[in-house]
Amino acid sequence: GAVVSQHPSRVICKSGTSVKIECRSLDFQATTMFWYRQFPKQSLMLMATSNEGSKATYEQGVEKDKFLINHASLTLSTLTVTSAHPEDSSFYICSARPPGVHTGELFFGEGSRLTVL
Amino acid sequence: GDSVTQMEGPVTLSEEAFLTINCTYTATGYPSLFWYVQYPGEGLQLLLKATKADDKGSNKGFEATYRKETTSFHLEKGSVQVSDSAVYFCAHGSGNTGKLIFGQGTTLQVKP
Repeated sequence: GAVVSQHPSRVICKSGTSVKIECRSLDFQATTMFWYRQFPKQSLMLMATSNEGSKATYEQGVEKDKFLINHASLTLSTLTVTSAHPEDSSFYICSARPPGVHTGELFFGEGSRLTVL
Repeated sequence: GDSVTQMEGPVTLSEEAFLTINCTYTATGYPSLFWYVQYPGEGLQLLLKATKADDKGSNKGFEATYRKETTSFHLEKGSVQVSDSAVYFCAHGSGNTGKLIFGQGTTLQVKP
């Protein structure tokens, strides 16, 4: 099946620094990717929809200046957590849908665990 | 607003026991419904889906039926295995946007 890969899988950073997380579709082109955040023992919360070649669409309550999303190619979307703070520590997951695949049938990356000290 | 509610976990069962994980949803229109599974250390994987009322999704011995009248999509398996231990997420798809609304996840632990 389709493969989506994230990097890094784990990252630890100091408060105030910025961290970039990459999401790649390895065997298909994805015009749209989705970024989710997962808190411990809680559901995945959609943060934003990443659109290739245009601005991302953010969900209500998500700070677009805090979570910068760039979808520069059909196989790569990046999420940059700017000026990270301990409350940004979380599990970030991306997903993408191959062309022609049913709406909602997404392929997920392995996730990236961010720890801000 | 749109939402998905799952039964709270963890659910602990012995091998070969019957499994039910309840899921109900609220949505405008008639969304597609999904169960995703997250095995330890891995990303989410689609387990099964149903796209319209009364459809039954099935995979790996798991089944779920789209019940419009009760807005439910309960996951069942007749005989669980230790390898089924994972977190299970119910979700519905939002129209043509590709967005998914997830439930909070239910952890299943199967003991030998």
